[in-house]
Amino acid sequence: QKEVEQDPGPLSVPEGAIVSLNCTYSNSAFQYFMWYRQYSRKGPELLMYTYSSGNKEDGRFTAQVDKSSKYISLFIRDSQPSDSATYLCAMNKAGNMLTFGGGTRLMVKP
Amino acid sequence: EAQVTQNPRYLITVTGKKLTVTCSQNMNHEYMSWYRQDPGLGLRQIYYSMNVEVTDKGDVPEGYKVSRKEKRNFPLILESPSPNQTSLYFCASSLSTGPTYEQYFGPGTRLTVT
Repeated sequence: QKEVEQDPGPLSVPEGAIVSLNCTYSNSAFQYFMWYRQYSRKGPELLMYTYSSGNKEDGRFTAQVDKSSKYISLFIRDSQPSDSATYLCAMNKAGNMLTFGGGTRLMVKP
Repeated sequence: EAQVTQNPRYLITVTGKKLTVTCSQNMNHEYMSWYRQDPGLGLRQIYYSMNVEVTDKGDVPEGYKVSRKEKRNFPLILESPSPNQTSLYFCASSLSTGPTYEQYFGPGTRLTVT
């Protein structure tokens, strides 16, 4: 069983929709939680990172962590075609070693 | 421009022929790392380096070697590539060690081993 599970999608939504992306994990030692966005033929880029349970907002993006359920989410409000990408959750215990989910491919249609 | 560069971007080779993928960063970062990305498996860490001459294994180090002789460069070496090493490879760097330091990724190298 993988330590981090993520629905691969693809997830197709109309422009303006609210998008919910999720990951579950099994290792309670994970402390830091990140979301990366990866455009086609590009490397991942960090979108947001959170440390504790709760919500963190940055513009149209909200990251949510529920440590008791071992569940994290990324919400995208007013989704745009430019949000079309693969979204990867990642987490670590300490240091720099990240454990990634498999990624969810998102398509936002105009 | 601050960036991580990788070369080559695409490579097709045959089983057993040694190859090196170069990685260079111009941000004076201490920490560098190599990942491979396979469908459905996300990114998995191969090797990492906390500083010059300091390297350590990640989750999937078998069949790979690395070296860190200079701070800016972190080449990935496949001494005898096999078809199961066909993958998309990413180099990443961060200012220092610690989970709060953002990792910056290169553009990727797509390797095919026949």
